[in-house]
Amino acid sequence: DQQVKQNSPSLSVQEGRISILNCDYTNSMFDYFLWYKKYPAEGPTFLISISSIKDKNEDGRFTVFLNKSAKHLSLHIVPSQPGDSAVYFCAARGIYNQGGKLIFGQGTELSVKP
Amino acid sequence: DAGVIQSPRHEVTEMGQEVTLRCKPISGHNSLFWYRQTMMRGLELLIYFNNNVPIDDSGMPEDRFSAKMPNASFSTLKIQPSEPRDSAVYFCASSLGRVTGRFQETQYFGPGTRLLVL
Repeated sequence: DQQVKQNSPSLSVQEGRISILNCDYTNSMFDYFLWYKKYPAEGPTFLISISSIKDKNEDGRFTVFLNKSAKHLSLHIVPSQPGDSAVYFCAARGIYNQGGKLIFGQGTELSVKP
Repeated sequence: DAGVIQSPRHEVTEMGQEVTLRCKPISGHNSLFWYRQTMMRGLELLIYFNNNVPIDDSGMPEDRFSAKMPNASFSTLKIQPSEPRDSAVYFCASSLGRVTGRFQETQYFGPGTRLLVL
């Protein structure tokens, strides 16, 4: 039972263009969402997060959008750079799991070509 | 800060052997998490501790897996006996936990231990 889904295993984008990574969830009790970035042979690193009381959060080139009615969130990277090439995981936390359990998606491998 | 430290980074063992993975969380962090990453199941939580106490171990696959946190700066994940299907990358992560009444959700991951059971 995959509560957090990233349906695109991979995405290829040209340098300078926008990268859009998508994530869907099924549990309406999720109220906090995070994106992590992972390079090979390293652990995931936190990128950006959003609470369910917001629909957008921006940090430099990274913006996360949340559509609660559709149970969908997306990560936009503008402009994309070759150093952004990595696996991106979205994660969700349930309202009764504050400070605890995160449910991760399967990940999307982003490749940014020069 | 050194970040989350995991050892060993790589482990190759034979089926039936005991495997012990080690983790040192970031100093001052109150919560510690053990994850497993496989191609089939992605990144899944095995167990997490808050103030050294196991809170949720529902992700632990079976009795062959056990985890301990004897103090705030050390945790182990043990597999006994190991099986080929345990081959995966095991990550440890830590977070601040509750700070001034609010939970800090960001988890900081170690580099992982790549386990291969032959």
